[in-house]
This record gives sequence, structure tokens and C-alpha cells, in this order.
Amino acid sequence: DTEVTQTPKHLVMGMTNKKSLKCEQHMGHRAMYWYKQKAKKPPELMFVYSYEKLSINESVPSRFSPECPNSSLLNLHLHALQPEDSALYLCASSPASVDTQYFGPGTRLTVL
Amino acid sequence: AQSVTQPDIHITVSEGASLELRCNYSYGATPYLFWYVQSPGQGLQLLLKYFSGDTLVQGIKGFEAEFKRSQSSFNLRKPSVHWSDAAEYFCAVGARGTDSWGKLQFGAGTQVVVTP
Repeated sequence: DTEVTQTPKHLVMGMTNKKSLKCEQHMGHRAMYWYKQKAKKPPELMFVYSYEKLSINESVPSRFSPECPNSSLLNLHLHALQPEDSALYLCASSPASVDTQYFGPGTRLTVL
Repeated sequence: AQSVTQPDIHITVSEGASLELRCNYSYGATPYLFWYVQSPGQGLQLLLKYFSGDTLVQGIKGFEAEFKRSQSSFNLRKPSVHWSDAAEYFCAVGARGTDSWGKLQFGAGTQVVVTP
């Protein structure tokens, strides 16, 4: 089983809203990732968690706040987003930090 | 730092014809290499990967790829394309070494259109 689940599938929010994206895997993977993907572009890495500790933050604005409550869950808290943050947000996991990454279906975010 | 080039932004192929997607990488050592496929609005699905060993790698959906160190290439092939193969294809390179934290460098992608 190589399934990564993400909720919600779609999210529309205003610039003053606070929302969260959720990612879950039950494969026993110890590394989890958040990516942002704009239309017609490749995914861009935002955050890497390895063994529930933040290992990489690719200079992402503070309006994005990741959280890893346990090794199976990864959240992305959103606050005061801008319209240009509208994108497909992808979660991935891998058995270890240097290993094959398996992606979830993504959350389509629209910021009005 | 590693980099990935997919020279073809867009490829149109007839159903039943063969397909080859090009990928060239730049990296100081032998990297990890991946091909992913993405249908519109969906996540990325792993087609195949190369870590070491046999340089001809078999993947899912009838795809294969060949690692050529001398050409720094990892081209993806399929002998006979099906209409369901229409999608965006991404080549990705991962650096070896734990200090890379599994960061993948993606190519720009190749859009494959399949005609009847």
C-alpha cells in the first residue's frame, strides 16, 4: 500500500481566513513533505519533516505554518494568504529522508 | 547542486506508436532518478526509479527507462502508447547523502498528447 491521503480536495478561502490542510500516511514512512505546484509548472518543495522534526524550510512565507503531530500526520496551517498562493498543494512521504517519495492527490487551493 | 532538463515541453503521439521522453541531469555523482506522471488536477504517480544496478529499469504501465551515465540521461520509453497515457511527465533527480534531506529537483515537465 503506497497511499498518501489529503483533505480537503478543494478549498476556497478569503485572505483573512485561517484554514488547514491535512495529510496522512500509514506506510510507516518517517519523512513527509509539502510541495506547492502552480499550473503548468513542476512541484516546488516547501517543507521537509524527518522523524517529526522540521528539516528543511525552503524560505516559505510565515503565512504557511507546517505541523507534524506524529509520524503519520502532516498539517499545513494557512493564514492571511494572498491570491498568488492559489495552487495545488501536494503532500508526499518516503520511508527515509533519502528515498522514493510517494505523493498524495493534492488539495486545490483558491484564495479570493 | 543538481539540475534536470526535459528538452521537450510538448509531444504529440498517435495511439499505438512508440514514445520516448528525454531527461538530462547535472550532478556531481550518480543521483537517484525518477519518472513521475501527473494527470490534470491529480497528484504525481511514480512510474519508475533508478538507484543503482541494472541501468535499464522497468516501471508500471509498460514504461521503461535507461540510465546512461556517459550522456547524463535517463530517458523514458513506451513501445505502444494508449490514449490513457496522455498526461504530464516529470523527471526528477535526488541527491545522495543525508544532508540533501531527500530534496528532489524536478524537470519542467513534458506534456504528452495522444491522438487517435
